[in-house]
Amino acid sequence: GQQLNQSPQSMFIQEGEDVSMNCTSSSIFNTWLWYKQEPGEGPVLLIALYKAGELTSNGRLTAQFGITRKDSFLNISASIPSDVGIYFCAGSTGANSKLTFGKGITLSVRP
Amino acid sequence: NAGVTQTPKFQVLKTGQSMTLQCAQDMNHEYMSWYRQDPGMGLRLIHYSVGAGITDQGEVPNGYNVSRSTTEDFPLRLLSAAPSQTSVYFCASSYGGSIGNTIYFGEGSWLTVV
Repeated sequence: GQQLNQSPQSMFIQEGEDVSMNCTSSSIFNTWLWYKQEPGEGPVLLIALYKAGELTSNGRLTAQFGITRKDSFLNISASIPSDVGIYFCAGSTGANSKLTFGKGITLSVRP
Repeated sequence: NAGVTQTPKFQVLKTGQSMTLQCAQDMNHEYMSWYRQDPGMGLRLIHYSVGAGITDQGEVPNGYNVSRSTTEDFPLRLLSAAPSQTSVYFCASSYGGSIGNTIYFGEGSWLTVV
């Protein structure tokens, strides 16, 4: 089946630093989504990407939909303590809203 | 996560017991789905529905049943709980299956099978 690869499993950064996360797949997706999950909560959508090459920002977050449609990255600039959480990429082929998720990256931000 | 409500939030079951996780949405969404989340595994699709009366299997459907008698509700049934079903379950909904529809998640149901 389709798989999305996110690595490393955990990242540790200093407050104020920028961080970049990649998500890759051997399959093509038509939509890429980035979610953040905090403890005890469901995933919350951060950014949605609908076109190959698309670059979208949401505050300090920027994400891009890869030209090949097999990858995406998420950048967080000037990190703050509340950026702590698990960041998931997810892909959709557009069929029935079924999402394939990566395993997530746990981000820790040191004050 | 407003609009997608899951109950219960926490549940402990004994092996072999049955139970139903409830999911309701008030956004008139066509599409609803259930995911399970296990440590280091991301979220995996169990079952989904594209509308009332229509359901289909996802990636990990074994041991679970669903039904969709109304647009609003999409319950997930565990017929005979097993320890391997210990997980966090998330219900999700969206307007439709075409590109660009945002998927909204509930807050999760923590299930432990002993």
